[in-house]
Amino acid sequence: EIVLTQSPGTLSLSPGERATLSCRASQSLSSSYLAWYHQKPGQAPRLLIYGASSRATGIPDRFSGSGSGTDFTLTISRLEPEDFAVYYCQQYGSSPPTFGGGTKVEIK
Amino acid sequence: QVQLVQSGAEVKKPGASVKVSCKASGYTFTSYYMHWVRQAPGQGLEWMGIINTSAGSTSFAQKFQGRVTVTRDTSTNTVYMELSSLRSEDTAVYYCAREIGVRGVRNLFDYWGQGTLVTVSS
Repeated sequence: EIVLTQSPGTLSLSPGERATLSCRASQSLSSSYLAWYHQKPGQAPRLLIYGASSRATGIPDRFSGSGSGTDFTLTISRLEPEDFAVYYCQQYGSSPPTFGGGTKVEIK
Repeated sequence: QVQLVQSGAEVKKPGASVKVSCKASGYTFTSYYMHWVRQAPGQGLEWMGIINTSAGSTSFAQKFQGRVTVTRDTSTNTVYMELSSLRSEDTAVYYCAREIGVRGVRNLFDYWGQGTLVTVSS
């Protein structure tokens, strides 16, 4: 199965700052089938980005995704208070689908 | 609007079984596959399996094969996940998640249930 490694484990930033999260796959992902979710405490994950760079319905444009092959990035251009959460990447191009270990974006 | 509403929290003893339900509304139930994903306390997300809600066929992660059963009731638009031979490591929040339903795209989740905490403790 494909292993996804996210870095850093924790990102401490202030509102208004830019956040850059990384996700590396153990093998190249077919058709850039890489998604990003965020999860707030006590809530289910929410889909943000799919196809490495396409925003899901209702996701603001401060969220952007990039990358291909084995290296992917989620960028939040200006952090809003509601963006402080845990972010997971997920590959869905091969079975079983797998998730990265998560990056926690916390308030500095 | 799409909603996935799961059953309430459960406490089970080791060796017992648990059955979690996920009731769907707001869309055509049999047009979308449903998955189960779990999350141990403070941990990441782990995919368990999938059901074709139209045909009823299932597929599971190797880790859970033989221990998990997923069924659906099309008359009530409900999916059920039963996990047997529970051990303490099965303590987790269990989520149902709808597959996005885009042609050619599999295993991508656009709606999630609220989660069901299953605690396994003697």
